[in-house]
Amino acid sequence: AQSVTQLGSHVSVSEGALVLLRCNYSSSVPPYLFWYVQYPNQGLQLLLKYTSAATLVKGINGFEAEFKKSETSFHLTKPSAHMSDAAEYFCAVTLKGGGNKLTFGTGTQLKVEL
Amino acid sequence: KAGVTQTPRYLIKTRGQQVTLSCSPISGHRSVSWYQQTPGQGLQFLFEYFSETQRNKGNFPGRFSGRQFSNSRSEMNVSTLELGDSALYLCASSLEENTEAFFGQGTRLTVV
Repeated sequence: AQSVTQLGSHVSVSEGALVLLRCNYSSSVPPYLFWYVQYPNQGLQLLLKYTSAATLVKGINGFEAEFKKSETSFHLTKPSAHMSDAAEYFCAVTLKGGGNKLTFGTGTQLKVEL
Repeated sequence: KAGVTQTPRYLIKTRGQQVTLSCSPISGHRSVSWYQQTPGQGLQFLFEYFSETQRNKGNFPGRFSGRQFSNSRSEMNVSTLELGDSALYLCASSLEENTEAFFGQGTRLTVV
C-alpha cells in the first residue's frame, strides 16, 4: 500500500521568502507523485506531477519539486512567496496499475505574511 | 473546454435521509473518482469508475455507492445519512490512468 506524510500542518513565511513544503512517500513500487493546491471553498488544482520522466519537476506559479528516491521525498519549493500563495497544499501518490486512486497527505496550510 | 461540474454546490439533509450527488467530467474523460474531505479525516478516496465499471473502492461502508453512465457522468449516493457524513465531496475526472486528475468545486453536504 502507498502513503504520503506531510510534515508540518501549518507553515508561515514572509512575502518574498523561500517556500518549502515537505512530503515523504512510502511505496513498494515506483510511485507517481502529485502536488495539489486548494483555496477556500474550492476544489483541488494540480501544481505539478512526477511520473518518472525527470526528477526535478517544474509546475505552475513558480513551484517546483524534486523527487529523491534515496530520501523517499518529494518536497515542494518556491523561491519567493507571494501573498496569493496562501492556501492549503496536498501531496498525493498513486501507483501504476492502481487506476486513478489518489492517496493524499494530511495537507499543509501555507500562510504568507507581509 | 468545460471543467468538472458538480451539482449541487450545497446541500442540507436530515439524519436518516438519503442524498444523490452528481458529477459531469471533462469531455472525453472516462475515469471519475470521488473523494470525501473532512477536517478530521482529510481527503479520503471513495471510489473510481471507468467506462461504467467500478475500478477502485475505498474503505467506506456500503451506505456509500456510486454509478457511472454511458456519457461518463457519475452519481454518488449516500443512504441513511449520519451526522459524520457532513463533508465536502469532491469529484475528479482523468483522461487516462496515472494522469492529472481534474477536480470539481465540490458539493458541501451538511447533515443535521
